[in-house]
Amino acid sequence: KQEVTQIPAALSVPEGENLVLNCSFTDSAIYNLQWFRQDPGKGLTSLLLIQSSQREQTSGRLNASLDKSSGRSTLYIAASQPGDSATYLCAKNAGNKLTFGGGTRVLVKP
Amino acid sequence: DAGVIQSPRHEVTEMGQEVTLRCKPISGHDYLFWYRQTMMRGLELLIYFNNNVPIDDSGMPEDRFSAKMPNASFSTLKIQPSEPRDSAVYFCASSYPKGDTLNTEAFFGQGTRLTVV
Repeated sequence: KQEVTQIPAALSVPEGENLVLNCSFTDSAIYNLQWFRQDPGKGLTSLLLIQSSQREQTSGRLNASLDKSSGRSTLYIAASQPGDSATYLCAKNAGNKLTFGGGTRVLVKP
Repeated sequence: DAGVIQSPRHEVTEMGQEVTLRCKPISGHDYLFWYRQTMMRGLELLIYFNNNVPIDDSGMPEDRFSAKMPNASFSTLKIQPSEPRDSAVYFCASSYPKGDTLNTEAFFGQGTRLTVV
């Protein structure tokens, strides 16, 4: 069974719509959960880190929530822009090393 | 800080050749990780170091893969001999503790795209 799952694998929305990206994970004994953005051919850029004691974290138009009991995290991106088009990955930290989901590829259409 | 620096950015080599990938972590970070990314398997952890000491190499696929960290500012991942199925993007990441030593935030390099023909 996948430890970290991201559904859907791909998502297309019109510009201005809010984005909701889902991440589910097994084993609630995590230290933190990290959201990354990856542009084609590029590395991973850290967006938000939610510690296990937190329920949400915000940075600009981005808001991430964490519900350890249900094994879920959600990344919200408000008022999406074409520049938000990228692959978004979540990763759980259950003891230093990160376990990644498969990512959600997002396309924001102008 | 310039972030995690990897070299080369691209590497094309023939099957059977030795390949060495290099990484310079962010100064002051205690942990260094090597990941591999493929379309089929996504991002997988290969090995990680803490204070230059290998802690977990259970993700290293075969004996053909080896990694070293001779000092706090440099690490290498070597594949010998290389095979076409090793073609992937290899990422190096480093992290520092946030309070609890296990509650770390990771920062990634730009990756090395390896093609073995």
